[in-house]
Amino acid sequence: EPEVTQTPSHQVTQMGQEVILRCVPISNHLYFYWYRQILGQKVEFLVSFYNNEISEKSEIFDDQFSVERPDGSNFTLKIRSTKLEDSAMYFCASEPRGQPQETQYFGPGTRLLVL
Amino acid sequence: AQSVTQLDSQVPVFEEAPVELRCNYSSSVSVYLFWYVQYPNQGLQLLLKYLSGSTLVKGINGFEAEFNKSQTSFHLRKPSVHISDTAEYFCAVRFSGGYNKLIFGAGTRLAVHP
Repeated sequence: EPEVTQTPSHQVTQMGQEVILRCVPISNHLYFYWYRQILGQKVEFLVSFYNNEISEKSEIFDDQFSVERPDGSNFTLKIRSTKLEDSAMYFCASEPRGQPQETQYFGPGTRLLVL
Repeated sequence: AQSVTQLDSQVPVFEEAPVELRCNYSSSVSVYLFWYVQYPNQGLQLLLKYLSGSTLVKGINGFEAEFNKSQTSFHLRKPSVHISDTAEYFCAVRFSGGYNKLIFGAGTRLAVHP
């Protein structure tokens, strides 16, 4: 069964450094998402992406964040200058057409620790 | 404002006992409702979803949920739990009218004891 994959599974970085989190969505899906889960808190929406454009973003997704689909398979989240409060589990998700009835399929997550 | 509330942060239960995990939502528009499960060190996996029609929805692993529009609830149930059901369970909603994002509740940690 097709699945969303994410790399790396864990990332440790120093405050102020740039990080890139990578995701490979399911191949025929058109809508992509990033969510994050700070330890002990709820899963929060960051951004949705369709047709090489951001379709929606949350207040969390400020100028330090960017997303890109550099080729036909990868979907990346970049944090330009990490802060301590960026430490979280980051989940990528994809779905076929972005219809609200559809299921979003989640990857296993990247655990980011900012020191 | 739209929101999702999971009333119990933790639910301990003995193996083979029934369990109910509660979820309430707040919305001024129609919603689609989902339950996801997160096993330790894994991603989120869909258990079941309510889109329309019958208010009782059956999902994987013997779980079911009932949509109650008047009470704005979507509680998850299982008549007999197993040790392997120990996990974090998240209720989530999507709103009609072009909003694609999922809004999650805080999660309920189900701990099944022998």
